Amino acid sequence: KAGVTQTPRYLIKTRGQQVTLSCSPISGHRSVSWYQQTPGQGLQFLFEYFSETQRNKGNFPGRFSGRQFSNSRSEMNVSTLELGDSALYLCASSPGTSGRDEQFFGPGTRLTVL
Amino acid sequence: AQTVTQSQPEMSVQEAETVTLSCTYDTSENNYYLFWYKQPPSRQMILVIRQEAYKQQNATENRFSVNFQKAAKSFSLKISDSQLGDTAMYFCAFMKHVKGGATNKLIFGTGTLLAVQP
Repeated sequence: KAGVTQTPRYLIKTRGQQVTLSCSPISGHRSVSWYQQTPGQGLQFLFEYFSETQRNKGNFPGRFSGRQFSNSRSEMNVSTLELGDSALYLCASSPGTSGRDEQFFGPGTRLTVL
Repeated sequence: AQTVTQSQPEMSVQEAETVTLSCTYDTSENNYYLFWYKQPPSRQMILVIRQEAYKQQNATENRFSVNFQKAAKSFSLKISDSQLGDTAMYFCAFMKHVKGGATNKLIFGTGTLLAVQP
């Protein structure tokens, strides 16, 4: 089975722009979660989508949004980028029906905001 | 709210030796899951080991084992026979149990950078 893929792997944007990141889960997985990883704040949960519905949400401003498509692929969008949004964005996929399901992480997208 | 604390920012161990990484957590939940994840320099996060809170028996996975102390809210990871490939950042994580479903919201500690020396 192919693993979790994230595109693009690297991205450079300027303040005020918006960005869209993509995550393709493992085939058959219906849950996709997103995390932001920074040196200062560590790993923080953004949101989770399950069967095209947002099931959980972290404490991030409304500039961070996401969606999930019928094939379980997910996108996250950050509007009006700020310098502090520079981070490694990780997504994780799982079947999503039980807490015992293992979450598999993708390689991440490194976003740099200038 | 749940919190996870890893008090050792960095640790070092000689190849073939044993090392223990510490993790404490705070929660009012009775049922939950605890995890140790490994993030090598390549950045892909990998699950090392998982513990379900209702299970008293400590989880083991080959050279990796945990010491789960529910009353003390402690969840340490022991790596035996350390190998160079174990060099990585190790994160302890908590996830709430949801009856009849799942919440894939992991709450992570700040991580421990483990260096295995040859």
